[in-house]
Amino acid sequence: NAGVTQTPKFQVLKTGQSMTLQCAQDMNHEYMSWYRQDPGMGLRLIHYSVGAGITDQGEVPNGYNVSRSTTEDFPLRLLSAAPSQTSVYFCASKDGAGENTQYFGPGTRLTVL
Amino acid sequence: GENVEQHPSTLSVQEGDSAVIKCTYSDSASNYFPWYKQELGKRPQLIIDIRSNVGEKKDQRIAVTLNKTAKHFSLHITETQPEDSAVYFCAAKVGGSARQLTFGSGTQLTVLP
Repeated sequence: NAGVTQTPKFQVLKTGQSMTLQCAQDMNHEYMSWYRQDPGMGLRLIHYSVGAGITDQGEVPNGYNVSRSTTEDFPLRLLSAAPSQTSVYFCASKDGAGENTQYFGPGTRLTVL
Repeated sequence: GENVEQHPSTLSVQEGDSAVIKCTYSDSASNYFPWYKQELGKRPQLIIDIRSNVGEKKDQRIAVTLNKTAKHFSLHITETQPEDSAVYFCAAKVGGSARQLTFGSGTQLTVLP
């Protein structure tokens, strides 16, 4: 199993550009999430999904969209990038609502100029 | 929603000494408390977790204690080694619900040789 994969690993955008961060998992997990990691602020939840066709907002959803058309994929879209969105983005997945291990992807380092 | 506070933000110990990281949470309904370790440039990985029906859990050199009355939990690392140097995150969740993990802000642990 590849686990949770993310592409790209690094990305530089100009203010106002849009892009999609890709996330995929091959563990048939129902739950998938997107976090951003900023220095001194831990991991903050952007959006999450409890299954195909179901998404919900997390703590910091503004400026981001998600969709979940399949169990495997959970892309994160930046509609109009802003310097405040410079961060490291982690996708994660887990098997259901219980106390199961959450697995993280390798991360995407995004810089918005 | 849940709020998790983590202290200290940085911690330096001599190799062989013990390290303690503390977290408090606000939602009394939370009953699942994992700890993640993130090495430099890597993804967070689960190292230990505890559920509210136990007060302490050990796994070799690491242990976690939980005080539900006071709403705090702690990570203890004994006989620290240089490879323990990393950022450690605590988290809290209401088990069995759709709510996602809420993370603390992280502790940078440095083990000095």
